[in-house]
Amino acid sequence: NAGVTQTPKFRILKIGQSMTLQCTQDMNHNYMYWYRQDPGMGLKLIYYSVGAGITDKGEVPNGYNVSRSTTEDFPLRLELAAPSQTSVYFCASSYSSWTENGYTFGSGTRLTVV
Amino acid sequence: KNQVEQSPQSLIILEGKNCTLQCNYTVSPFSNLRWYKQDTGRGPVSLTIMTFSENTKSNGRYTATLDADTKQSSLHITASQLSDSASYICVVTGQTGANNLFFGTGTRLTVIP
Repeated sequence: NAGVTQTPKFRILKIGQSMTLQCTQDMNHNYMYWYRQDPGMGLKLIYYSVGAGITDKGEVPNGYNVSRSTTEDFPLRLELAAPSQTSVYFCASSYSSWTENGYTFGSGTRLTVV
Repeated sequence: KNQVEQSPQSLIILEGKNCTLQCNYTVSPFSNLRWYKQDTGRGPVSLTIMTFSENTKSNGRYTATLDADTKQSSLHITASQLSDSASYICVVTGQTGANNLFFGTGTRLTVIP
C-alpha cells in the first residue's frame, strides 16, 4: 500500500498565485487532515474531514479551502498565495479520530511564496 | 490554555549512548499521548501511544513513560543508532475529536559516530 501520497513535494509560488496541494490515501480511512509545520513550531491543523462530503475548519483555516468528493482524495487549495503561507504542509489520515496506530502522514509539500 | 512543551529543543549524543526526551502538557481533558518520529523531509511516524491508565510502553529500543498526575511524559532511547537521528514530537489528544490534537515543537536528536 502507498499510504498517504502528497504532490508536489516542492513548489515556489509568486504572491497572489493559486495552487492546489494534492493528497490521496489508499487505506480507506474516513478521516483526513491538513497540517502546516512552520520552523520551530508544532503542527497546526488547517482543515479536516470526517468523510466524503464533510469538511470542517481547524485552527488556522484562513487563506485555504478544501473539498472531499471521494474517500481517497482531500485536496487543499490556496487561492491568493501570501508569504505567510510559506511552510511545509502535511496531509494525514486515520480510520477514526481515536486509533491505536495514530495518524498516517504523507511526506509533505514544501511551499515557498515569494 | 492547552499546550505541549518539549525539552530539550535539540540534543547531540554519541552512537550507542542512551538519551531521554521530555514532554510536559497542560491539555485537559486528556485522552492519550503519542510520540512520533519525524525523519528529515518526511512526515511523522507514530512510535507509541499511551492512555491515562498506562505508565510505560515500549517499542523496541524506545520506551515511553507517562505520569498523568504531573502531566509529564518521557521517551527513552536505548543504545542509540545513527538512524535515530530525527525530530521526536509529542502529541496530546484532548477530548476525542479530529481537531483536538496538540503538537509539541519537537526535539531534534542527532546521533554521531
